[in-house]
Parts: sequence; structure tokens; C-alpha cells
Amino acid sequence: QKEVEQNSGPLSVPEGAIASLNCTYSDRVSQSFFWYRQYSGKSPELIMSIYSNGDKEDGRFTAQLNKASQYVSLLIRDSQPSDSATYLCAVMGDSSYKLIFGSGTRLLVRP
Amino acid sequence: DTAVSQTPKYLVTQMGNDKSIKCEQNLGHDTMYWYKQDSKKFLKIMFSYNNKELIINETVPNRFSPKSPDKAHLNLHINSLELGDSAVYFCASSQDLTGWRGELFFGSGTQLSVL
Repeated sequence: QKEVEQNSGPLSVPEGAIASLNCTYSDRVSQSFFWYRQYSGKSPELIMSIYSNGDKEDGRFTAQLNKASQYVSLLIRDSQPSDSATYLCAVMGDSSYKLIFGSGTRLLVRP
Repeated sequence: DTAVSQTPKYLVTQMGNDKSIKCEQNLGHDTMYWYKQDSKKFLKIMFSYNNKELIINETVPNRFSPKSPDKAHLNLHINSLELGDSAVYFCASSQDLTGWRGELFFGSGTQLSVL
């Protein structure tokens, strides 16, 4: 069973819409959660981190965490074509020095 | 100046050959990693070194041997390459493990194609 699961997509949204990306994880002791963005042919870069239940906002991005449901999401408001990329969810365990990545969701923002 | 640089960017080789990928970081970080990303974008950790000491060794075939001559460098040598080794290999670094908050700085990747 995969440890971090994401819908591979593509998720297609029109410019200006809200894009909602979802992730579930299997390890209940996981404490730290991350969203990385990867443009085609490029390396992943960290865009959001969240450590406690609830919402965390940073500009157009909002990360949401529900540890009881083992669910993490990323909302992108006012989506732009430049947001088109693969979004990787990553989880760090309580006593682990490694990130476990999901296989990513490809987002397409249509002009 | 590139923070995490790896060479070569592309590597095309025949089955059975031996090849190396080099990685260097100038961020002053203590910890370095090798990740493998397959064709389905699944990014999986292979190895991690903290200040030249191996701390993570996932279930990777022993044909893969990492070497860290100092904390700024982490190289990956692969013996007897197989078709299934074709992937993008990313080097990454992070600050020391104490209080690490999960941010990884990735190199630009090495696209390995085994024919």
C-alpha cells in the first residue's frame, strides 16, 4: 500500500478559478506535511508546509490538514497559467529524517 | 551561483555499463540525499548522508553506491546498469537534522537512459 496517495490528474481549471489538490497518507504518526511544486523538466521546490490541524495561508495558497482523516489539501486561489505544474505532497514521520512523496497531481490552468 | 549542482544533466548508456553522477552544494548544509523519480513522477528516497555519515539507506540494489567525500559533495556510482534504472536522479540537500522542518533544496536532476 502506498504511503502517500494523490490523484495523478490532470486537474484542469480555468484561469481565475480555485484549484483544489488532495492527498491522503497512511502513517498516523506523521507530524509534518509539505507541498512541493515541480514544473515540467525541472526540480521540485517547496511551496507550503503545515504542521498542525487547520488551515495555513500564504498568498494565493492555502494548505489544509486534518490528521484525524489523514488528509492534506492545497488550495490555489485565482489560478494562473503559470501555476500549471505537478504538485507533490510529502509527509515526514515523527522520528524520520526523510520525506515520503506522493506521485503528484498534474494541474493545468487554461487561459 | 547554483545552490545544488549535479552533473551530468543527461546520461545515455548501454546496459551493463558503470556510470557516476556527481553532486555538490554550496549552501553550507550538513545533509544530502539522492532521490529517484520514475516515469510516473514518483519521487523515492535512495540514500541520505549527514556530515559524511550514511543515515538512510533504502532498499536499493547494492549496484548503487553513494560516496560522500565531504559534507558538500555526494556522488552516486551505479554498476552494471539495467533498463529499470532509467529515471531522473535528483540530488538534494537540507540543513542539519536537528530541528529540520522538511525543506529540501534539489539539484536540476540527471536524466539517465539505459538502452
